[in-house]
Amino acid sequence: QVQLVQSGAEVKKPGSSVKVSCKASGGTFNSYTFSWVRQAPGQGLEWMGGIIPMFDIVNYAQNFQGRVTITADKSTSTVYMDLSSLRSEDTAVYYCARDGGSYRQNWFDPWGQGTLVTVSS
Amino acid sequence: QSVLTQPPSASGTPGQRVTMSCSGSTSNIGSNTVNWYQQFPGTAPKLLIYSSNQRPSGVPDRFSGSKSGTSASLAISGLQSEDEADYYCAAWDDSLNGPVFGGGTKLTVL
Repeated sequence: QVQLVQSGAEVKKPGSSVKVSCKASGGTFNSYTFSWVRQAPGQGLEWMGGIIPMFDIVNYAQNFQGRVTITADKSTSTVYMDLSSLRSEDTAVYYCARDGGSYRQNWFDPWGQGTLVTVSS
Repeated sequence: QSVLTQPPSASGTPGQRVTMSCSGSTSNIGSNTVNWYQQFPGTAPKLLIYSSNQRPSGVPDRFSGSKSGTSASLAISGLQSEDEADYYCAAWDDSLNGPVFGGGTKLTVL
């Protein structure tokens, strides 16, 4: 049973960057896609992008193009999400999740526990 | 503004059957399967229904999903107090080349 464990909460200044990690254990890492989804306080879910570690192929949501970088370290089964030029609206809980299914017919299961990123001056 | 449209709230009494809708377009629900997630306050979402009508292992058969055209529905029969949560629909969007979510429906068990 795969488990995703994320890094701890972060407080960042506007204009800075944040890097959140997500370590997978208990399952095959390389052959899956891993995605990042965020949730602002009291708001819904928003997909940011995903990566296939085996091929280092990434796909970013249009809303985050140029600001987000998703990488993977196959040696440690860890996926990273780096978000730059932070603004107050980026305050949210950031989740990693493993994709199931296939391209275009995919779902997210399981999810990490979430990482709260607070952007404040 | 979410790409998929869900009613913000729904309610029912214990034992009742409740349905909630998810409306999209030809580029998402009309072309791809729909997934549903259940989220309790302060916790990560959990996969509830995948491929429009499939239940992951461990999800009670009280939960069912369906899809028709550009809309999908989640039904909960034999409503229980522990079903009180937020429910999100999601589907791949071919125009945006990524998955999109609904804004979520908050279910209250009266």
